[in-house]
Amino acid sequence: GAGVSQTPSNKVTEKGKYVELRCDPISGHTALYWYRQSLGQGPEFLIYFQGTGAADDSGLPNDRFFAVRPEGSVSTLKIQRTERGDSAVYLCASSPTATRDTGELFFGEGSRLTVL
Amino acid sequence: GEDVEQSLFLSVREGDSSVINCTYTDSSSTYLYWYKQEPGAGLQLLTYIFSNMDMKQDQRLTVLLNKKDKHLSLRIADTQTGDSAIYFCAETAGYSSASKIIFGSGTRLSIRP
Repeated sequence: GAGVSQTPSNKVTEKGKYVELRCDPISGHTALYWYRQSLGQGPEFLIYFQGTGAADDSGLPNDRFFAVRPEGSVSTLKIQRTERGDSAVYLCASSPTATRDTGELFFGEGSRLTVL
Repeated sequence: GEDVEQSLFLSVREGDSSVINCTYTDSSSTYLYWYKQEPGAGLQLLTYIFSNMDMKQDQRLTVLLNKKDKHLSLRIADTQTGDSAIYFCAETAGYSSASKIIFGSGTRLSIRP
C-alpha cells in the first residue's frame, strides 16, 4: 500500500506478557518514528530512527521498551512484561528525508494495545 | 525541556472563524506544525510554518507565529462541519534538521449549527 501500515490494529494481552508491534513505513522514507497516544492526550514521542540506527530514544519510558529497524525499513516496537499503564494507541510515522524539507510526518492508523 | 500547551476544547458556530492557540517552550524550534486528527483516522499534517516567518496563509487557514511570546495560532475561516476534529500543535525539538517532533495534547473543535 501507499501509506504507513501498522499491525496488529488491535492487541489485547495480559499483564506480564511480551508484545511486538510492527510498522511498515512508506517505501523510501528514511526516518521512522514511534509515538504513544493515550486517551485524550497528544502523541508522546518514544523513539525515532534514521535508517537502521536509533537517532533519539529519549522517549522510551523504561528498559521494558525496545525498538529495532534492522534493514532500515520495517520497524518493530517490543514491550516486555507489559503493565496496565502501557495500554494506549501506539503510532508509527515515517518521513521521506533525514534532513527535512517540511518535516511532514506520515502517520499510520496505530496499534491499540490493551493490557488486562 | 520541550513542552507544547493547548486548550482542550473549542466550540464555534458554522460559518464563523475558529482560532486555536498554542504555546511552546523550545525557542530553537525550526518548524511548527498543525496536525489534524479526524475520528477513527490517523494524524495528518494540516499546515506548517518555518520559524523565520510570522504568518502563513493557505486557503481558509492562517497560521500566526509570535516567536517572542512562543505563541502559535491557527485560524480557520468559514468553519464547516467537516472541520470537526482534534487539532494538534507540534514543534521540532531543537535546531537539528532531523529531530523529534513534540506534540501538544490537542484541541477538540466542535461545530454547532
